[in-house]
Amino acid sequence: DAKTTQPPSMDCAEGRAANLPCNHSTISGNEYVYWYRQIHSQGPQYIIHGLKNNETNEMASLIITEDRKSSTLILPHATLRDTAVYYCIVSFTGANSKLTFGKGITLSVRP
Amino acid sequence: GAVVSQHPSWVICKSGTSVKIECRSLDFQATTMFWYRQFPKQSLMLMATSNEGSKATYEQGVEKDKFLINHASLTLSTLTVTSAHPEDSSFYICSARDLVRRGGGHEQFFGPGTRLTVL
Repeated sequence: DAKTTQPPSMDCAEGRAANLPCNHSTISGNEYVYWYRQIHSQGPQYIIHGLKNNETNEMASLIITEDRKSSTLILPHATLRDTAVYYCIVSFTGANSKLTFGKGITLSVRP
Repeated sequence: GAVVSQHPSWVICKSGTSVKIECRSLDFQATTMFWYRQFPKQSLMLMATSNEGSKATYEQGVEKDKFLINHASLTLSTLTVTSAHPEDSSFYICSARDLVRRGGGHEQFFGPGTRLTVL
């Protein structure tokens, strides 16, 4: 699976949009981009995934560049409860696929 | 999303004893389950992948005789840490995936984790 690069940390103000970047320059054509987050001492939580097109759900939006070498997770209105480690993962899908977690980015939402 | 539970949520045991951790998918059938380990301030490390009814596939460096995995049903997988030692103290997390029903295997649903402390 292709590797991803994320800044170690970032912060944003409560109520503002949080834009979390991820680089995956070696992504292959059939690898998906997944985002998970882990709040302290809990199991990871699935956020969103995408292949080529931008995606949006009730939690976040995922913007993937046209060349697919990078993506941005957008939390439109960050709250204090969004403070967590966010993991950007690139992986194939299917029976033999597995998720490889990197170090992630620590998002701190300040009041 | 689907719910995955783990039991116990935490356990303290003496060195040399064995500890069993259960992982259950509560509202879906998990064709594949995964076991991860997370040390403090580190990321999750995949230990093994198990498919219902077959032997688990262990990641390189993970001792299969020490970490016994059983995926006997579509809703239950167990991890047994045999002859636990203080260095096995960690946060153990399972996840489950249903290739058939849920998004074609895109989503893994994670349990809340089990904190193991070996004295």
